[in-house]
Amino acid sequence: RKEVEQDPGPFNVPEGATVAFNCTYSNSASQSFFWYRQDCRKEPKLLMSVYSSGNEDGRFTAQLNRASQYISLLIRDSKLSDSATYLCVVNIGSNYQLIWGAGTKLIIKP
Amino acid sequence: ETGVTQSPTHLIKTRGQQVTLRCSSQSGHNTVSWYQQALGQGPQFIFQYYREEENGRGNFPPRFSGLQFPNYSSELNVNALELDDSALYLCASSPSLLAASSYEQYFGPGTRLTVT
Repeated sequence: RKEVEQDPGPFNVPEGATVAFNCTYSNSASQSFFWYRQDCRKEPKLLMSVYSSGNEDGRFTAQLNRASQYISLLIRDSKLSDSATYLCVVNIGSNYQLIWGAGTKLIIKP
Repeated sequence: ETGVTQSPTHLIKTRGQQVTLRCSSQSGHNTVSWYQQALGQGPQFIFQYYREEENGRGNFPPRFSGLQFPNYSSELNVNALELDDSALYLCASSPSLLAASSYEQYFGPGTRLTVT
């Protein structure tokens, strides 16, 4: 079983729709959680950290469920510019390494 | 831009050859992490350097080695290249070890290595 698993993509979604990404992690000692965005042939860029109480940044909402070892990202009112691959990232805490999911590709259609 | 630079941007090598990739970290950053990202996959942690010492290593064979210099720039060396080594190699610099485990990783644009 992979340490961090994400929905296999791609997601093809019309502009304006709401999109939800899911991610599960296997190590219950995981302490920090993030969503990164990666455009085609570019480096990953931090989208948002995920806090236990859930957090929101504009159209983006991240949730964490420690009991289920599950992380989610919701994008509301999707834009063409949201098209990218979204990567779920986890830090176990016993070291300083980040464990990455394989990513879910999002394609927003006009 | 993050201020992290990598060279070269693209590279083509043949199987069995050796390659050196370079990373200049952002000013003031003492920690560099290297990742391998195969097509369609997330980045895989190779190793991390903190103040010129290797601080941790992922599941990569010894033919992957590295260095960090006094100015905190870093090199990734891969010997005896295999076809499966074809990937995007990313480096990320951080102002500290703690920051490296959180959101403060600043990625370079990567080096795309093709092994034929």
